[in-house]
Amino acid sequence: QKEVEQDPGPLSVPEGAIVSLNCTYSNSAFQYFMWYRQYSRKGPELLMYTYSSGNKEDGRFTAQVDKSSKYISLFIRDSQPSDSATYLCAMREGSARQLTFGSGTQLTVLP
Amino acid sequence: DAGVIQSPRHEVTEMGQEVTLRCKPISGHDYLFWYRQTMMRGLELLIYFNNNVPIDDSGMPEDRFSAKMPNASFSTLKIQPSEPRDSAVYFCASSPTINVLTFGAGSRLTVL
Repeated sequence: QKEVEQDPGPLSVPEGAIVSLNCTYSNSAFQYFMWYRQYSRKGPELLMYTYSSGNKEDGRFTAQVDKSSKYISLFIRDSQPSDSATYLCAMREGSARQLTFGSGTQLTVLP
Repeated sequence: DAGVIQSPRHEVTEMGQEVTLRCKPISGHDYLFWYRQTMMRGLELLIYFNNNVPIDDSGMPEDRFSAKMPNASFSTLKIQPSEPRDSAVYFCASSPTINVLTFGAGSRLTVL
């Protein structure tokens, strides 16, 4: 079993829809949680970064962490065609120096 | 800032040849990471440096892989000899901290 599980999709939604992307993990020592966005033929770029449990909002994006369930989510409101990309979750133990990435979910927002 | 610069962007080579991938990190970033991305295995950390010193190379698949960081502005990842299973996109990333990585555009390697 992988430490971090992420549904690879692909996920296709109409423009304006609310998108929910999720990751589950098995390592209870993970404390830092990130979402990276990767456009085709590009490197990943950091989208959201949260520490421990709770919610964090940034514009149309909301990151949610539920450590008790070992479950993190990224919500995209009013999705746009420019949001079409692969979304990777990543997480890290407090004392570790490396990130563990999910396999990524491919999202397409149709105009 | 030009971001993390990687070269070459694409490399096609034959099995057994030496491959050298290059990376220029963002100035002032103390951490440099080399990742490999494939459809099957996703994004895998190969090695990372802190202040030019290799800290963890446990992700380097075999002795055929080596990485150096002779100074704060340059790093190389070398594969010798290359094999078809090394075909992947290799990313370099730099960071002032562990979490906030800035990735380069990647080097797409095809080994025939």
